[in-house]
Amino acid sequence: NAGVTQTPKFRILKIGQSMTLQCAQDMNHNYMYWYRQDPGMGLKLIYYSVGAGITDKGEVPNGYNVSRSTTEDFPLRLELAAPSQTSVYFCASSHGQGNSPLHFGNGTRLTVT
Amino acid sequence: GQNIDQPTEMTATEGAIVQINCTYQTSGFNGLFWYQQHAGEAPTFLSYNVLDGLEEKGRFSSFLSRSKGYSYLLLKELQMKDSASYLCAVRAATGGFKTIFGAGTRLFVKA
Repeated sequence: NAGVTQTPKFRILKIGQSMTLQCAQDMNHNYMYWYRQDPGMGLKLIYYSVGAGITDKGEVPNGYNVSRSTTEDFPLRLELAAPSQTSVYFCASSHGQGNSPLHFGNGTRLTVT
Repeated sequence: GQNIDQPTEMTATEGAIVQINCTYQTSGFNGLFWYQQHAGEAPTFLSYNVLDGLEEKGRFSSFLSRSKGYSYLLLKELQMKDSASYLCAVRAATGGFKTIFGAGTRLFVKA
Protein backbone atom coordinates (compact mmCIF):
# COMPACT_ATOMS: atom_id res chain seq x y z
CA ASN A 1 0.00 0.00 0.00
CA ALA A 2 1.24 3.45 -0.88
CA GLY A 3 -0.92 5.18 1.78
CA VAL A 4 -1.35 8.88 1.00
CA THR A 5 0.54 10.18 -2.02
CA GLN A 6 1.07 13.88 -2.67
CA THR A 7 2.50 15.52 -5.77
CA PRO A 8 4.51 17.57 -6.44
CA LYS A 9 7.04 17.54 -3.57
CA PHE A 10 8.26 21.06 -4.29
CA ARG A 11 6.95 23.97 -6.37
CA ILE A 12 7.81 27.60 -6.89
CA LEU A 13 5.02 29.84 -8.18
CA LYS A 14 4.94 33.45 -9.24
CA ILE A 15 2.32 35.75 -7.71
CA GLY A 16 -0.98 35.34 -9.55
CA GLN A 17 -0.24 31.91 -11.01
CA SER A 18 -2.46 28.95 -10.31
CA MET A 19 -1.76 25.32 -9.56
CA THR A 20 -3.31 22.12 -8.26
CA LEU A 21 -1.79 20.07 -5.48
CA GLN A 22 -2.63 16.41 -5.97
CA CYS A 23 -3.52 13.97 -3.21
CA ALA A 24 -4.49 10.31 -3.55
CA GLN A 25 -5.04 7.58 -0.97
CA ASP A 26 -5.46 3.84 -1.45
CA MET A 27 -6.82 2.93 2.00
CA ASN A 28 -10.49 3.41 1.09
CA HIS A 29 -10.82 6.19 3.65
CA ASN A 30 -13.94 8.33 3.42
CA TYR A 31 -12.46 11.29 5.27
CA MET A 32 -9.77 13.45 3.69
CA TYR A 33 -8.21 16.72 4.82
CA TRP A 34 -5.88 19.45 3.61
CA TYR A 35 -3.63 21.23 6.10
CA ARG A 36 -1.00 23.91 5.76
CA GLN A 37 1.95 24.30 8.10
CA ASP A 38 3.91 27.52 8.33
CA PRO A 39 7.49 27.43 9.71
CA GLY A 40 7.57 26.57 13.41
CA MET A 41 3.79 26.38 13.58
CA GLY A 42 1.15 23.71 13.92
CA LEU A 43 -1.19 22.50 11.21
CA LYS A 44 -4.11 24.62 10.06
CA LEU A 45 -7.08 22.92 8.40
CA ILE A 46 -7.91 24.34 4.96
CA TYR A 47 -10.67 22.05 3.65
CA TYR A 48 -12.01 18.61 4.37
CA SER A 49 -14.24 16.00 2.79
CA VAL A 50 -16.39 13.29 4.36
CA GLY A 51 -16.87 11.39 1.10
CA ALA A 52 -17.04 11.68 -2.66
CA GLY A 53 -18.99 14.76 -3.71
CA ILE A 54 -18.93 16.38 -0.24
CA THR A 55 -16.48 19.09 0.83
CA ASP A 56 -16.46 21.76 3.52
CA LYS A 57 -14.33 24.63 4.77
CA GLY A 58 -11.84 24.33 7.58
CA GLU A 59 -10.08 27.06 9.57
CA VAL A 60 -8.28 28.85 6.71
CA PRO A 61 -10.11 28.21 3.39
CA ASN A 62 -9.66 31.61 1.70
CA GLY A 63 -7.68 31.45 -1.54
CA TYR A 64 -8.21 27.71 -2.01
CA ASN A 65 -10.70 25.36 -3.60
CA VAL A 66 -11.15 21.60 -3.48
CA SER A 67 -13.13 18.88 -5.19
CA ARG A 68 -13.79 15.23 -4.36
CA SER A 69 -15.03 13.36 -7.39
CA THR A 70 -13.75 9.97 -6.18
CA THR A 71 -13.02 8.37 -2.82
CA GLU A 72 -9.33 8.18 -3.68
CA ASP A 73 -8.53 11.72 -4.86
CA PHE A 74 -8.76 15.09 -3.14
CA PRO A 75 -6.97 17.84 -5.12
CA LEU A 76 -6.37 21.33 -3.71
CA ARG A 77 -6.52 24.27 -6.11
CA LEU A 78 -4.80 27.64 -5.71
CA GLU A 79 -6.30 30.08 -8.22
CA LEU A 80 -4.30 33.29 -7.69
CA ALA A 81 -1.15 32.49 -5.73
CA ALA A 82 -0.08 35.01 -3.10
CA PRO A 83 3.11 35.17 -0.96
CA SER A 84 0.94 34.41 2.11
CA GLN A 85 0.34 30.95 0.63
CA THR A 86 4.01 30.03 0.93
CA SER A 87 3.82 27.01 3.21
CA VAL A 88 4.08 23.25 3.46
CA TYR A 89 0.83 21.54 2.51
CA PHE A 90 -0.14 18.18 3.97
CA CYS A 91 -2.95 15.97 2.79
CA ALA A 92 -4.33 13.42 5.25
CA SER A 93 -6.99 10.73 5.37
CA SER A 94 -8.71 8.64 8.02
CA HIS A 95 -11.67 6.39 8.71
CA GLY A 96 -12.98 9.37 10.68
CA GLN A 97 -14.43 8.07 13.89
CA GLY A 98 -13.05 6.50 17.00
CA ASN A 99 -9.36 5.99 17.44
CA SER A 100 -8.55 6.10 13.74
CA PRO A 101 -5.64 8.53 13.33
CA LEU A 102 -4.81 10.76 10.41
CA HIS A 103 -2.50 9.26 7.81
CA PHE A 104 -0.42 11.99 6.21
CA GLY A 105 1.20 12.35 2.84
CA ASN A 106 4.81 13.54 2.67
CA GLY A 107 3.81 17.11 1.98
CA THR A 108 4.22 19.68 -0.79
CA ARG A 109 6.58 22.58 -0.13
CA LEU A 110 5.23 25.62 -1.98
CA THR A 111 6.98 28.96 -2.40
CA VAL A 112 5.19 31.95 -3.94
CA THR A 113 7.44 34.82 -5.03
CA GLY B 1 -14.47 27.28 18.63
CA GLN B 2 -11.42 25.34 19.66
CA ASN B 3 -8.19 26.43 21.29
CA ILE B 4 -5.21 24.20 22.03
CA ASP B 5 -2.19 25.33 24.05
CA GLN B 6 1.15 23.61 24.55
CA PRO B 7 4.65 24.87 25.39
CA THR B 8 6.72 26.07 22.44
CA GLU B 9 9.98 24.35 23.33
CA MET B 10 11.43 21.95 25.88
CA THR B 11 14.91 20.57 26.45
CA ALA B 12 15.72 17.31 28.22
CA THR B 13 18.66 14.99 28.70
CA GLU B 14 19.15 11.61 27.10
CA GLY B 15 17.84 8.84 29.38
CA ALA B 16 15.58 11.19 31.33
CA ILE B 17 11.76 11.53 31.45
CA VAL B 18 9.92 14.49 29.97
CA GLN B 19 6.26 15.50 30.22
CA ILE B 20 4.68 17.66 27.52
CA ASN B 21 1.43 19.31 28.59
CA CYS B 22 -1.54 20.29 26.47
CA THR B 23 -4.67 22.21 27.45
CA TYR B 24 -7.66 22.54 25.19
CA GLN B 25 -11.05 24.21 24.91
CA THR B 26 -13.46 22.67 22.49
CA SER B 27 -17.13 22.88 21.59
CA GLY B 28 -17.26 19.13 20.93
CA PHE B 29 -14.85 16.32 21.74
CA ASN B 30 -14.22 12.98 20.07
CA GLY B 31 -10.73 12.20 21.26
CA LEU B 32 -7.28 13.68 21.73
CA PHE B 33 -4.29 12.63 19.65
CA TRP B 34 -0.55 13.09 19.95
CA TYR B 35 1.59 13.12 16.82
CA GLN B 36 5.35 13.21 16.41
CA GLN B 37 6.90 15.26 13.64
CA HIS B 38 10.58 15.21 12.78
CA ALA B 39 11.96 18.24 10.95
CA GLY B 40 11.06 18.17 7.26
CA GLU B 41 8.77 15.17 7.62
CA ALA B 42 5.07 14.46 7.95
CA PRO B 43 3.45 13.95 11.37
CA THR B 44 3.08 10.36 12.55
CA PHE B 45 0.55 9.04 15.06
CA LEU B 46 1.71 8.38 18.62
CA SER B 47 -1.33 8.01 20.86
CA TYR B 48 -5.06 8.46 21.30
CA ASN B 49 -7.18 9.16 24.40
CA VAL B 50 -10.93 9.48 24.53
CA LEU B 51 -11.61 8.40 28.13
CA ASP B 52 -9.99 9.84 31.25
CA GLY B 53 -6.82 8.15 32.35
CA LEU B 54 -3.46 6.94 31.18
CA GLU B 55 -2.69 5.05 27.98
CA GLU B 56 0.73 3.41 27.87
CA LYS B 57 2.55 2.34 24.75
CA GLY B 58 6.16 1.37 25.29
CA ARG B 59 8.27 4.40 26.22
CA PHE B 60 5.35 6.73 25.49
CA SER B 61 2.29 7.34 27.67
CA SER B 62 -0.54 9.81 27.29
CA PHE B 63 -2.97 11.05 29.91
CA LEU B 64 -6.35 12.73 29.55
CA SER B 65 -8.64 14.62 31.91
CA ARG B 66 -11.76 15.69 30.02
CA SER B 67 -13.18 17.72 32.92
CA LYS B 68 -10.00 19.81 33.05
CA GLY B 69 -9.43 19.96 29.30
CA TYR B 70 -5.92 18.67 29.92
CA SER B 71 -3.60 16.06 28.49
CA TYR B 72 0.06 15.22 28.72
CA LEU B 73 2.50 13.09 26.78
CA LEU B 74 5.15 11.34 28.84
CA LEU B 75 8.34 10.16 27.18
CA LYS B 76 10.59 7.87 29.18
CA GLU B 77 14.21 6.81 28.63
CA LEU B 78 14.72 9.64 26.21
CA GLN B 79 16.80 8.94 23.13
CA MET B 80 18.43 11.41 20.75
CA LYS B 81 16.00 10.32 18.04
CA ASP B 82 13.13 11.64 20.19
CA SER B 83 14.22 15.18 19.26
CA ALA B 84 11.17 16.29 17.27
CA SER B 85 8.00 18.35 17.50
CA TYR B 86 5.08 16.86 19.39
CA LEU B 87 1.65 17.95 18.24
CA CYS B 88 -1.43 17.81 20.45
CA ALA B 89 -4.64 17.52 18.40
CA VAL B 90 -8.34 17.35 19.25
CA ARG B 91 -10.94 15.63 17.10
CA ALA B 92 -14.36 17.23 16.86
CA ALA B 93 -17.51 15.23 17.55
CA THR B 94 -19.23 16.53 14.42
CA GLY B 95 -18.42 18.37 11.21
CA GLY B 96 -16.41 15.71 9.46
CA PHE B 97 -14.58 14.72 12.65
CA LYS B 98 -12.16 17.56 12.00
CA THR B 99 -8.85 17.33 13.83
CA ILE B 100 -7.53 20.65 15.09
CA PHE B 101 -3.87 20.94 16.04
CA GLY B 102 -1.96 22.90 18.62
CA ALA B 103 1.19 24.75 17.52
CA GLY B 104 3.39 21.88 18.68
CA THR B 105 6.18 21.53 21.23
CA ARG B 106 9.72 21.27 19.94
CA LEU B 107 11.68 18.86 22.11
CA PHE B 108 15.47 18.95 22.11
CA VAL B 109 17.21 15.93 23.62
CA LYS B 110 20.83 16.60 24.62
CA ALA B 111 23.55 14.10 25.46
